[in-house]
Amino acid sequence: GIQVEQSPPDLILQEGANSTLRCNFSDSVNNLQWFHQNPWGQLINLFYIPSGTKQNGRLSATTVATERYSLLYISSSQTTDSGVYFCAGAMKTSYDKVIFGPGTSLSVIP
Amino acid sequence: DAGVIQSPRHEVTEMGQEVTLRCKPISGHDYLFWYRQTMMRGLELLIYFNNNVPIDDSGMPEDRFSAKMPNASFSTLKIQPSEPRDSAVYFCASSLAALIAQETQYFGPGTRLLVL
Repeated sequence: GIQVEQSPPDLILQEGANSTLRCNFSDSVNNLQWFHQNPWGQLINLFYIPSGTKQNGRLSATTVATERYSLLYISSSQTTDSGVYFCAGAMKTSYDKVIFGPGTSLSVIP
Repeated sequence: DAGVIQSPRHEVTEMGQEVTLRCKPISGHDYLFWYRQTMMRGLELLIYFNNNVPIDDSGMPEDRFSAKMPNASFSTLKIQPSEPRDSAVYFCASSLAALIAQETQYFGPGTRLLVL
């Protein structure tokens, strides 16, 4: 079955708005990460978050491993936040084999 | 450090031709990963290496694909013969240690391949 799911698939925000992106993952996956792919294609790791909560500026992430989901919060969005946000998990049977979700495409408009 | 370096950045070739993609990982990183990104299938892990040794190549689509890492600073992904369905963006990434050790993967800029 599907191992990493993300919602919503697309999101349009007015600059300054807040948003929450969700990632659901199967029990064969752990060690969640969040990535951002900017409109030029560059992939940047945002968080390594197997459990708990982390914050980095306007971004924060929470993973509830027992319920198999992770949330990425974007506050006071800026146009530079546009792009695709991926969550990814490692296969429990092969710790370095990373499975990516389909992504949430975010457009922040001024 | 210059980050992960990939070449070429763009490649246009004709069906049946051999294609070689190159990657230079960040110095000192023990892990190297090759990914492919397409609209239909998203980001897929093709193969990864630890200390130049291939660990898992189960993502390699078929025998036309091969990857090597002759030394710690260089890896190649080769497609021979290439087909139009191989058109995609191919990313190389490296990390200092294993993901289980909470090490981040650093991605290169990608090679955009178009097979006509």
